[in-house]
Amino acid sequence: TQLLEQSPQFLSIQEGENLTVYCNSSSVFSSLQWYRQEPGEGPVLLVTVVTGGEVKKLKRLTFQFGDARKDSSLHITAAQPGDTGLYLCAGALDTGRRALTFGSGTRLQVQP
Amino acid sequence: SAVISQKPSRDICQRGTSLTIQCQVDSQVTMMFWYRQQPGQSLTLIATANQGSEATYESGFVIDKFPISRPNLTFSTLTVSNMSPEDSSIYLCSVTGTGGRFEQYFGPGTRLTVT
Repeated sequence: TQLLEQSPQFLSIQEGENLTVYCNSSSVFSSLQWYRQEPGEGPVLLVTVVTGGEVKKLKRLTFQFGDARKDSSLHITAAQPGDTGLYLCAGALDTGRRALTFGSGTRLQVQP
Repeated sequence: SAVISQKPSRDICQRGTSLTIQCQVDSQVTMMFWYRQQPGQSLTLIATANQGSEATYESGFVIDKFPISRPNLTFSTLTVSNMSPEDSSIYLCSVTGTGGRFEQYFGPGTRLTVT
């Protein structure tokens, strides 16, 4: 059983469309990160959220941390082909342990 | 953020052999981690590489199969021993950031194919 469940697993959309990716858990996280990974590369950190209810924006990407710090969402407005990649959420459990738990991943393809 | 390099970037190995992957960081870091990413999958933590002591392995991973060294604060190695085709994966090292918010920064990965 995956500690962090992401949905959807796959998403293929047209350029200009909006989308939301969800990351859910029954566990509480002290912080949660979102990464994007492109083929042949390691994951690249997009954002970290630490406070329940926190919302962060990075250009066309909006990240939200749930009030109870158990879930998060990533919303992309007007998706571009350059947004194509594997999106991963990852959380640090509220135990002080520094190792991250990764979500199952969402593979996004944006068609021009 | 730290700049992380891995060697080799990819390799094709025969079953029964071993491969050692190197991870080099351009600055001293407290914590280094090794992950496995099987084809089309997310990341699974193998172990935390501790400087000056034995690595801390996650459930399902053992030292005999994945011995790890961490001789100093900028370098670590992961060996994949007695390989089988099931070991074909991308192996990634990562380091923690300095912001205290548990961010990790990743190397480019080593793509291993076992035939």
